[in-house]
Amino acid sequence: GIQVEQSPPDLILQEGANSTLRCNFSDSVNNLQWFHQNPWGQLINLFYIPSGTKQNGRLSATTVATERYSLLYISSSQTTDSGVYFCAVGSEGGSARQLTFGSGTQLTVLP
Amino acid sequence: NAGVMQNPRHLVRRRGQEARLRCSPMKGHSHVYWYRQLPEEGLKFMVYLQKENIIDESGMPKERFSAEFPKEGPSILRIQQVVRGDSAAYFCASSPTPYEQYFGPGTRLTVT
Repeated sequence: GIQVEQSPPDLILQEGANSTLRCNFSDSVNNLQWFHQNPWGQLINLFYIPSGTKQNGRLSATTVATERYSLLYISSSQTTDSGVYFCAVGSEGGSARQLTFGSGTQLTVLP
Repeated sequence: NAGVMQNPRHLVRRRGQEARLRCSPMKGHSHVYWYRQLPEEGLKFMVYLQKENIIDESGMPKERFSAEFPKEGPSILRIQQVVRGDSAAYFCASSPTPYEQYFGPGTRLTVT
């Protein structure tokens, strides 16, 4: 099946700093989503972005499908941004309905 | 528009009991998915259902686990004769089409 790798696995930032999280995938996709799992365990949808660029406030994401990677940008980070960020993909070659998750990036934003 | 609803949010069962997890999809969504998050294994797909049909159950354990999405009412994930290894967070997601998925808050199952 499709492989999803996220980097870095852990990231510690001071409040106000910017960061870039990366997601590499091993096959063509027709579904790519970014999620934030907050400290209470809830999965929050950030972006549905199988290709192109989107922005939502301090967050933006870019997926370059031909090169099989996606980037999540967080600007002016806040302590409430802490948690785990997951990239999940649905493979064109497999079942688009199954999301395969990466292992996540654990983000800690210090005050 | 209310989000995906799951209940209970926390469930404690003794070994050998049955666990029933419920999921109400977002209004207008006919596609339902179940995922499991085990402490050291990450989030894994279990099953994909549409009304009254199981479309893909390739991620479901072969024994003790079943899922349904009846014509009326919520989707149910049923675990019979639970064991300690079933302790995990179980997430339900729904979508209007088989692409962007919206996740519920999860049910934390603890088996004692």
